Amino acid sequence: GAGVSQSPSNKVTEKGKDVELRCDPISGHTALYWYRQSLGQGLEFLIYFQGNSAPDKSGLPSDRFSAERTGGSVSTLTIQRTQQEDSAVYLCASSIRQGDNEQFFGPGTRLTVL
Amino acid sequence: KQEVTQIPAALSVPEGENLVLNCSFTDSAIYNLQWFRQDPGKGLTSLLLIQSSQREQTSGRLNASLDKSSGRSTLYIAASQPGDSATYLCAVRKGRGYNKLIFGAGTRLAVHP
Repeated sequence: GAGVSQSPSNKVTEKGKDVELRCDPISGHTALYWYRQSLGQGLEFLIYFQGNSAPDKSGLPSDRFSAERTGGSVSTLTIQRTQQEDSAVYLCASSIRQGDNEQFFGPGTRLTVL
Repeated sequence: KQEVTQIPAALSVPEGENLVLNCSFTDSAIYNLQWFRQDPGKGLTSLLLIQSSQREQTSGRLNASLDKSSGRSTLYIAASQPGDSATYLCAVRKGRGYNKLIFGAGTRLAVHP
């Protein structure tokens, strides 16, 4: 595929369950970003990966949130013990490298915590 | 702390009008600014990227300008069409070593036939 892909597109879960969201960046892009888009909060940065460097986790809202990127490609965002306030659209983006390059976004995963 | 504001929050225009969307940021020390489009239930589509050293960028009917000193960017859409209906977001990057984009809340545009 030519663009960033994310799965699942929609996820409904019960409060307290763990969820995993997946992102496949554009082939050849070394930088990968996760953002969250909530009603009333706009788009917020969560975490950033660049190559083999340590990730920038400065946007993660709590220690229930974690992410990994295996082999410098696919990334998984994990939310443990989900809460209703975690309900949002989780967007993944990639760019060729850090710096002045454009970020290209995937379609997002809509997470609903009941 | 960098804050990004977009005015108006919503705009409804008849087809064919030229229109301007505004984006302002509180800290003029930005590295670049990016305009996106978001259709309902979809992700973001990158429209234009302006580096801090640039004054404007153009793509088709879209023209984005940047005035760093005043903390402002505008997105000009010429001859609007119903297919332009979407939410338009601007986002700034603070510096080369900063990884995140800081987004405005967006302008929701409706172009009616």
